[in-house]
Amino acid sequence: DAGVTQSPTHLIKTRGQHVTLRCSPISGHKSVSWYQQVLGQGPQFIFQYYEKEERGRGNFPDRFSARQFPNYSSELNVNALLLGDSALYLCASSRDRGISEAFFGQGTRLTVV
Amino acid sequence: TQLLEQSPQFLSIQEGENLTVYCNSSSVFSSLQWYRQEPGEGPVLLVTVVTGGEVKKLKRLTFQFGDARKDSSLHITAAQTGDTGLYLCAGARGNKLVFGAGTILRVKS
Repeated sequence: DAGVTQSPTHLIKTRGQHVTLRCSPISGHKSVSWYQQVLGQGPQFIFQYYEKEERGRGNFPDRFSARQFPNYSSELNVNALLLGDSALYLCASSRDRGISEAFFGQGTRLTVV
Repeated sequence: TQLLEQSPQFLSIQEGENLTVYCNSSSVFSSLQWYRQEPGEGPVLLVTVVTGGEVKKLKRLTFQFGDARKDSSLHITAAQTGDTGLYLCAGARGNKLVFGAGTILRVKS
């Protein structure tokens, strides 16, 4: 079975630009969560989506948005990129709304210059 | 302030040695997960502990969840170079995971 897949794996953007990151969860999993991990820190929660609805939001500005599609894949969008948005963006897949077991993709390394 | 404190931050040991890393909090979690992460990769789930006092073994790795479900430890017996990586603990809080900053483990041959 395929694990969580994220695309692209690496991305370089300029300040002020917009970026879209994509995630496909494990087959049968209905929940997708997004996390941001900056160097030297643990991942920080951005969003959870379950059954195509936002179920949780972390302490991130409105420049960050996301959505989940009928096939449970998800997109994370970030507008007006700042240098501080440079990080590894991780997508986590879980079977249901609860977060007792989450499986992560390999991440998207975003560099803002 | 980190909700989950991991210690030590960095550990460098020789192959064959034993080690323990800790994950402590003042908050109760419904479950706690341990992950191992290599540079540039996503975290890989090692174990989930749910019940206070629970002990789980995964080959040379032993995980323990505190009785009060506020803390956990990971013990590795006879470490191997392949154990090198960042070890993260994460507590389940509602519909999100709260992560510690991690312990960087380096096992030298």
